[in-house]
Amino acid sequence: QKEVEQDPGPLSVPEGAIVSLNCTYSNSAFQYFMWYRQYSRKGPELLMYTYSSGNKEDGRFTAQVDKSSKYISLFIRDSQPSDSATYLCAMNSYSSASKIIFGSGTRLSIRP
Amino acid sequence: DAGVTQSPTHLIKTRGQQVTLRCSPKSGHDTVSWYQQALGQGPQFIFQYYEEEERQRGNFPDRFSGHQFPNYSSELNVNALWLGDSALYLCASSLQTSGSTDTQYFGPGTRLTVL
Repeated sequence: QKEVEQDPGPLSVPEGAIVSLNCTYSNSAFQYFMWYRQYSRKGPELLMYTYSSGNKEDGRFTAQVDKSSKYISLFIRDSQPSDSATYLCAMNSYSSASKIIFGSGTRLSIRP
Repeated sequence: DAGVTQSPTHLIKTRGQQVTLRCSPKSGHDTVSWYQQALGQGPQFIFQYYEEEERQRGNFPDRFSGHQFPNYSSELNVNALWLGDSALYLCASSLQTSGSTDTQYFGPGTRLTVL
């Protein structure tokens, strides 16, 4: 069993829709949670970072963490064609902060 | 402010050869991590360098080695290449801070193809 499981998609939604991307994890030592966006042929770009349960909002993006269920989500409101990319959840622990564990990524396509 | 840069962009090698990939961290960063990303997968942690030493290593064989220079730039070396090493190799840089996690910023990657 992988430490981090991510819905693989692909996911295709119309422009303006709300998108929900999800990951589950098995290691209770994970304390820091990140979402990266990766465009084709590019490196991952850090979108959101949080370390506590609850919601964190940044513009159209909301990251949600539920440590009791070992479940994290990223919500995108008013989705735009420019949001089309692969979204990677990632996490690490305080004792092993160097080693970020990534999900396999969800490919998202926003239809104009 | 220059971000993380990597060279070369693309590389084609044959089985058994050796390869060296290079990375310059984001300005102000002192730590470099290397990841391997196979097609359709998330990045996998190879190792991290800080103060010119390997701090932590992922589940990769000794064929994978690295180096960090006094100016914080880094190299990844892979010996005895085999087909399964074909992947996008990503470099990420960060700044060491006590009591906090690494926030890593990624470069564009080097795409390695082994024939």
